[in-house]
Amino acid sequence: EVQLVESGGGLVQPGGSLRLSCAASGFTFSHYWMSWVRQAPGKGLEWVANINQDGSEKYYVDSVKARFTISKDNAKDSLYLQMNSLRAEDTAVYYCAKAGSTGSVDYWGQGTLVTVSS
Amino acid sequence: DVVMTQSPLSLPVTLGQPASISCRSSQSLVNSDGNTYLNWFQQRPGQSPRRLIYEVSTRDSGVPDRFSGSGSGTDFTLKISRMEAEDVGVYYCMQGIHWPWTFGQGTKVEIK
Repeated sequence: EVQLVESGGGLVQPGGSLRLSCAASGFTFSHYWMSWVRQAPGKGLEWVANINQDGSEKYYVDSVKARFTISKDNAKDSLYLQMNSLRAEDTAVYYCAKAGSTGSVDYWGQGTLVTVSS
Repeated sequence: DVVMTQSPLSLPVTLGQPASISCRSSQSLVNSDGNTYLNWFQQRPGQSPRRLIYEVSTRDSGVPDRFSGSGSGTDFTLKISRMEAEDVGVYYCMQGIHWPWTFGQGTKVEIK
């Protein structure tokens, strides 16, 4: 059974940093693209970043470029999102998601809440 | 960025009756490989999103056959043939061909 478990969320002040983690199990982690998707409170879904199987390709939505870094450790079956220079508008539940077929994701974690506030 | 526009944004449906959600993209979602990367996700209250359909019309394993997807190019539709109580939630279309991948605004489906 595929499982994705996010951790690392919490309350942080504007300008601060946070590192999210996603522990994966139930599939061969090194064979798949992975993604981070976020959802602001009461709002819709927004794609944040994608990373390919070996971490050599990364894509970001413009609003987080140069502030967020996606990475993965295939030896630890783990996905990460380093978030720097956080802003109030980054407040959201952050989901880790596994790529399924091309151009899609097929499994999501339960999400971790990041709140940026003073 | 590709804009995904869903309608309606709110959809009250009587149990047992059909429902239909439209999704239009600002650019074609047909890839050079000939496939169209349009997905539908369901998010029940308090839950993570769940994929229902990918590549326009392929249902995920375990998804009831009352859900169906159709469309081509820039116009797509998700249909529920007979509304059931467990179908309450927000439905999102999503394109996976142009970066950044983008979602529609979501359609809230509720019982009438």
